[in-house]
Amino acid sequence: AQSVTQLGSHVSVSEGALVLLRCNYSSSVPPYLFWYVQYPNQGLQLLLKYTTGATLVKGINGFEAEFKKSETSFHLTKPSAHMSDAAEYFCAVMNYGGSQGNLIFGKGTKLSVKP
Amino acid sequence: DSGVTQTPKHLITATGQRVTLRCSPRSGDLSVYWYQQSLDQGLQFLIQYYNGEERAKGNILERFSAQQFPDLHSELNLSSLELGDSALYFCASSGGGGSFYGYTFGSGTRLTVV
Repeated sequence: AQSVTQLGSHVSVSEGALVLLRCNYSSSVPPYLFWYVQYPNQGLQLLLKYTTGATLVKGINGFEAEFKKSETSFHLTKPSAHMSDAAEYFCAVMNYGGSQGNLIFGKGTKLSVKP
Repeated sequence: DSGVTQTPKHLITATGQRVTLRCSPRSGDLSVYWYQQSLDQGLQFLIQYYNGEERAKGNILERFSAQQFPDLHSELNLSSLELGDSALYFCASSGGGGSFYGYTFGSGTRLTVV
């Protein structure tokens, strides 16, 4: 069965600092992995996805993530945080059927950006 | 605007009541998914429909039911409401039969049970 674990429910960075949000996955098959962002009082928006091919995936708003099979990780990074990046971020893995639905989400990491 | 429309945006109702949440998927998407988001449980998958048929079921209570209509819009019915049902309910849609390209989420319905 597929699952994701997000390390750290809250991360705080200063504006201009590196953003690193951690996600580890478990999958019995080659995974499809996703990062979503949720701004306050809004729905989830797709940031980026990894399916096959290049392991470094670039997304919207300057975010990128690297798929590392040996480490079963898919960490999200951004070189320089902006105040507008403050939001909650969810890592997800595609589940192949079963009762958990097609996407299994982590518990989320809330990112705060200090001026 | 994501293209997935959920109504209403906010709903306040009393315990024991029944409510219906509505979702119109993005144009061309055949799959609709319902999720419940609460502070303690996170994002919980409830149910998926594909082109009118139930495809997958998650932790959906027996008091909850859903359906997808021929025009592909979906409704989530919540009955005998309890305080613990207060949450954000999201609908998402995807093309084809799966989530290969990820979901498109609506902005949610915030349900408050008092």
